[in-house]
Amino acid sequence: NAGVTQTPKFQVLKTGQSMTLQCAQDMNHNSMYWYRQDPGMGLRLIYYSASEGTTDKGEVPNGYNVSRLNKREFSLRLESAAPSQTSVYFCASSRDSNYGYTFGSGTRLTVV
Amino acid sequence: GESVGLHLPTLSVQEGDNSIINCAYSNSASDYFIWYKQESGKGPQFIIDIRSNMDKRQGQRVTVLLNKTVKHLSLQIAATQPGDSAVYFCAENNAGNMLTFGGGTRLMVKP
Repeated sequence: NAGVTQTPKFQVLKTGQSMTLQCAQDMNHNSMYWYRQDPGMGLRLIYYSASEGTTDKGEVPNGYNVSRLNKREFSLRLESAAPSQTSVYFCASSRDSNYGYTFGSGTRLTVV
Repeated sequence: GESVGLHLPTLSVQEGDNSIINCAYSNSASDYFIWYKQESGKGPQFIIDIRSNMDKRQGQRVTVLLNKTVKHLSLQIAATQPGDSAVYFCAENNAGNMLTFGGGTRLMVKP
């Protein structure tokens, strides 16, 4: 039982490049989330998907797009990466919004 | 907006002592609270949760206390071990919305 799997684990991008962060969960959870974590700060919600077929903006959505491909997968896309998007990105899932989240191990992204 | 916060950014304790990490929340509508542990280079890991109809919940070596009167949450770790060294986050869920995370407290265990 893998839980929440994120790929890649590390990525370096040049300013203006695009990329997609992948996330998959095998717990049959309804809700999925993307967070970013900057040094010395807590987790900030980028986008979430309360259920398959729905997505909504979180606290810091600018510069990102998401796709809930199916119940298992929720991807995060950076269309034109900026240095301000250098961060560690965490995907999480939960049975629904009123249960604890299970987090992936994170993607460390550097934009130069 | 309403948020979850922590009183102490860093807590240093002696191995074997008990640790208490505190968290203040401001949203009186919050009905579900969680503590997470995050070790260096890893994702947050669920430790223990508590719903607003309870004031105490115990797990293995951990206890969460909820005081709704003063909107305060605490995590107690008994017989703290070096493996407990990590950043601890509290999170609140206000009536079905997403979890809001606090800024985190770093726990350092001295041998």
